[in-house]
Amino acid sequence: DIVMTQSPDSLAVSLGERATINCKSSQTVLYTSNNKNYLTWYQQKPGQPPKLLIYWASTRVSGVPDRFSGSGSGTDFTLTISSLQAEDVAVYYCQQYYSTPLTFGGGTKVEIK
Amino acid sequence: EVQLVQSGAEVKKPGESLKISCKGSGYSFTTYWIAWVRQMPGKGLEWMGIIYPGDSDTTYSPSFQGQVTISADKSISTAYLQWSSLKASDTAMYYCARPRAAGGHDGFDIWGQGTMVTVSS
Repeated sequence: DIVMTQSPDSLAVSLGERATINCKSSQTVLYTSNNKNYLTWYQQKPGQPPKLLIYWASTRVSGVPDRFSGSGSGTDFTLTISSLQAEDVAVYYCQQYYSTPLTFGGGTKVEIK
Repeated sequence: EVQLVQSGAEVKKPGESLKISCKGSGYSFTTYWIAWVRQMPGKGLEWMGIIYPGDSDTTYSPSFQGQVTISADKSISTAYLQWSSLKASDTAMYYCARPRAAGGHDGFDIWGQGTMVTVSS
């Protein structure tokens, strides 16, 4: 199984400041035949199901604000919220879909400082 | 509107059986995989397994293989997750989810509302 490790477990950021979440996979999730990273990011707010933010490591879902961006390749990935808004308070998860079992990171809780 | 609607909350006793459902609408149910995801109280997301309703091809996470059964009835656009003998440790919220692209696994963009299963004596 591919193990996904997120850091930090939680972070508190001031409104308007940048939040950075890291995700590391135990083996590559880059499929060399199509040069795509099989990595997604989700946002989950309390009492709600997860919401897909980014797929292919850096492609933003339609309607997701452009302050959310994904980067990285191979085994190391980052989700950046460029200017934190109050509505961004949530837990964020990365997930690989390179191979089954699909696996999630442990989650990063983002709060307002 | 594309949506997945799950069955309601359940309260069961240890040893009882249970089958929860996830009904898809607004899209071609047979051409998209459906996954099941567990979230224990206050914890993270765990991928349990996935089924292709078109031919019922199913893959389980090793962590859940033999513990649950995933099935689908394409005639009524419904996927199922079932237990033959529940344990207290099965207490969790269970979500079904559909990938963004037909035939693929590249990000689950449609989620059910979740079914809370509580197992207690």
